Amino acid sequence: EAQVTQNPRYLITVTGKKLTVTCSQNMNHEYMSWYRQDPGLGLRQIYYSMNVEVTDKGDVPEGYKVSRKEKRNFPLILESPSPNQTSLYFCASSSHPRGDEQFFGPGTRLTVL
Amino acid sequence: QKEVEQNSGPLSVPEGAIASLNCTYSDRVSQSFFWYRQYSGKSPELIMSIYSNGDKEDGRFTAQLNKASQYVSLLIRDSQPSDSATYLCAVYTGRRALTFGSGTRLQVQP
Repeated sequence: EAQVTQNPRYLITVTGKKLTVTCSQNMNHEYMSWYRQDPGLGLRQIYYSMNVEVTDKGDVPEGYKVSRKEKRNFPLILESPSPNQTSLYFCASSSHPRGDEQFFGPGTRLTVL
Repeated sequence: QKEVEQNSGPLSVPEGAIASLNCTYSDRVSQSFFWYRQYSGKSPELIMSIYSNGDKEDGRFTAQLNKASQYVSLLIRDSQPSDSATYLCAVYTGRRALTFGSGTRLQVQP
């Protein structure tokens, strides 16, 4: 089954404690993105990757890091989480960035206390 | 000005009516336009894509695009309670991945 998986699905943590949210896709897609979704603000892109070792900033990259060492995986790293990073996070992948083939993961709800 | 704008709603329509959802975008070089449906707490799912001016129909859904007016809309005919969700408009400008609007919440009253 074609899918994008994210782990964990829910996470409550404290300010400053480093965390990683994993994302994996099994469709051999080149393009992967991370979004955060906040009430009234919609989906905002954090980072995206066009292929292995190729990443670039989206609209709201501050406080986040990513890496793309393998085609299937695109982890999101919060080195020192802060309460304003409390949000719902989605990973997505596609064979083209234009959207019609974009697959979203189930989401990770993060709370930073 | 936001790149992609939508009325947040809620838009409330009775069951069986036509729901009309609207979206405007600011970048004239935008190439592709999409409507995603998102149920509360779930991930977005693509329901319609449109690339050229005019209408595109798929079942009960019709997407309309007017590039001159920088306007894209989604019509849902014979609205059902199961259509109650947030509808996200997304635009691709050819530079990188999608830009999303903040979404319109639709409520279909039984």
